[in-house]
Amino acid sequence: GEDVEQSLFLSVREGDSSVINCTYTDSSSTYLYWYKQEPGAGLQLLTYIFSNMDMKQDQRLTVLLNKKDKHLSLRIADTQTGDSAIYFCAERLRGGKLIFGQGTELSVKP
Amino acid sequence: GAVVSQHPSWVICKSGTSVKIECRSLDFQATTMFWYRQFPKQSLMLMATSNEGSKATYEQGVEKDKFLINHASLTLSTLTVTSAHPEDSSFYICSARRDFSTDTQYFGPGTRLTVL
Repeated sequence: GEDVEQSLFLSVREGDSSVINCTYTDSSSTYLYWYKQEPGAGLQLLTYIFSNMDMKQDQRLTVLLNKKDKHLSLRIADTQTGDSAIYFCAERLRGGKLIFGQGTELSVKP
Repeated sequence: GAVVSQHPSWVICKSGTSVKIECRSLDFQATTMFWYRQFPKQSLMLMATSNEGSKATYEQGVEKDKFLINHASLTLSTLTVTSAHPEDSSFYICSARRDFSTDTQYFGPGTRLTVL
C-alpha cells in the first residue's frame, strides 16, 4: 500500500541542527519531496531528491535517502526560530500522485 | 518563480449555499492542477486531479457532484463546493504542476472554508 510516516513533533534549540525523519512504503517512488507549512498557509517546496540519489545539499538543508530502507531525512543546520513550522515529506508515485506524511511540527526554542 | 494563488483566502457561508474557490498559476502554465483538503493538524488528502480541457479525476470517496472542478485554461482551475454543509468546513489547497520532468507541484496559500 501507499503510506508515508513521520514523527509528529520535534523540539530543538536555536543554533542546533534539526533532523526530521520519514519512511515510505512504495519502492517505485521516483521523487521524494520536503515541504514546509507555516500556520494558516499553503505548502512551500523546500527541496526534492530523485530516487537514484543518496544525498542532496542545498544551503542549510541536507536530504539523505536510504532507498533500501525506504528512509528519508531532512537535516536543517543552524536552526532558527523562523524555521518553526510543520514539515511534510511526500513521495511521488507513478502517474504523478503525491502521498504526504502526517507532518512533523518543528519547534525551535531561543 | 512558480507562484500559485488562491481566491478567496477565507470564506464563511451558510449551509446549503455553494462556494467557488479559484486557483491560478501566475507565472507559468499548468496543464495539471491538484486539489487537496486538509483537516486541522492533519496531512493533505488529494481530492482530485484536474487536467486542462478535460474532466477531473477524483480520488476514491470524493463526490464529484459535490466538488465540481473546472480547468478551463492553462492558468486557472476552480473548485465549487455545492450545497455546502458544516462537515465541508476545511482548508482547501490547490497545487499546479509546472515542470513535467520533475513533476514538482507548487502549492497555493490555501482557502479556509467555514460553513455555518
